[in-house]
Amino acid sequence: EAGVTQFPSHSVIEKGQTVTLRCDPISGHDNLYWYRRVMGKEIKFLLHFVKESKQDESGMPNNRFLAERTGGTYSTLKVQPAELEDSGVYFCASSQDKFGDWTRLYQETQYFGPGTRLLVL
Amino acid sequence: RKEVEQDPGPFNVPEGATVAFNCTYSNSASQSFFWYRQDCRKEPKLLMSVYSSGNEDGRFTAQLNRASQYISLLIRDSKLSDSATYLCVVNSPHSGTASKLTFGTGTRLQVTL
Repeated sequence: EAGVTQFPSHSVIEKGQTVTLRCDPISGHDNLYWYRRVMGKEIKFLLHFVKESKQDESGMPNNRFLAERTGGTYSTLKVQPAELEDSGVYFCASSQDKFGDWTRLYQETQYFGPGTRLLVL
Repeated sequence: RKEVEQDPGPFNVPEGATVAFNCTYSNSASQSFFWYRQDCRKEPKLLMSVYSSGNEDGRFTAQLNRASQYISLLIRDSKLSDSATYLCVVNSPHSGTASKLTFGTGTRLQVTL
């Protein structure tokens, strides 16, 4: 089974330019997450989709970041215009919901993609 | 104060040694706990979930103390291939089944000959 894939693997752009990152989750996973790791810091949550709906976008840094998941399959994260502090590794993760004991719905493990390394000059 | 605190290391240990990592978390509403492993320039990969009763997977043992909000990972008989960064991760639900992972900065382990 294919894992989470991300494109591109690397991107180097100049300040003020636009970059779009793509994530393809594991087939059948309704939950899709974006995370980011900036140099020297921990991995931080950006946002969470359930199918095509944004469930939580509390981690998005500002309105220069726009995430979409049209059709509930792959997702894109656009940064426009990019700033120097946007440099880092952007990870995507996916998981599926399942029913556990006493029909309680919970999420399974989040599987991460290889990340996109973004460098803004 | 960070939500998840870890000693960044590095821990340099010889092959065959036993090493322990600790982690504390601040959100008492956290429900799920994990150790992820991250190799250099790779994505985080789930090593094991952590349960209150403690759980073991081969050479790896994880413990959770909810009262102290403390998580640990013990690696016995260290191998060269265990060299990596170990991330303490907490899952904190925010609405319904929705949840997000909160990561520690990671503890770097280097196993040497």
